[in-house]
Amino acid sequence: DQQVKQNSPSLSVQEGRISILNCDYTNSMFDYFLWYKKYPAEGPTFLISISSIKDKNEDGRFTVFLNKSAKHLSLHIVPSQPGDSAVYFCAASEGIHPNKLIFGTGTLLAVQP
Amino acid sequence: DAGVIQSPRHEVTEMGQEVTLRCKPISGHDYLFWYRQTMMRGLELLIYFNNNVPIDDSGMPEDRFSAKMPNASFSTLKIQPSEPRDSAVYFCASSFKEWNTEAFFGQGTRLTVV
Repeated sequence: DQQVKQNSPSLSVQEGRISILNCDYTNSMFDYFLWYKKYPAEGPTFLISISSIKDKNEDGRFTVFLNKSAKHLSLHIVPSQPGDSAVYFCAASEGIHPNKLIFGTGTLLAVQP
Repeated sequence: DAGVIQSPRHEVTEMGQEVTLRCKPISGHDYLFWYRQTMMRGLELLIYFNNNVPIDDSGMPEDRFSAKMPNASFSTLKIQPSEPRDSAVYFCASSFKEWNTEAFFGQGTRLTVV
């Protein structure tokens, strides 16, 4: 059973526009959420995170929004750049296992010049 | 620090053969994770260790899979016998014990079983 879901396998955006990647989860005990970025032939790298006590966290061009009632989070990239083209994974963990990250299936973002 | 180091980067083996994947975590990290990436399931957690002790192996798909961590600087994931459906990219990751911290991933081992 997939506890973390990314329903869009791919997304294409024009350079300079906003990219919005979505993630849904089913486990209401999740209290920490992360986004990872993965380039081909490389391991995933941490991008940004958010605790369940917040509903927004911003780091430069990247902002993560959390809607606990809807069990939904999203990653906004503004403005999008060609170098942002990668697979983005959403991940979550719960308090009793804070280091155990459960990942989604990923979304391939393509930023067109 | 060189980061998490995995070997080999690529492995091609015949069905029925034993495969061993290796991982060296970042020095000082308390947790070590083995993940498998497939198109259908994304990054799937197979097993993780805390201070060299296996904590949760519920993600290990079958008894053909086993993992060990004999010391803080080395772990192996073994598949015996291997099958074509085991073909995937296997990642090792490590992290500190602090609450809500990110994991650092190796570059992965692409396994192909023919």
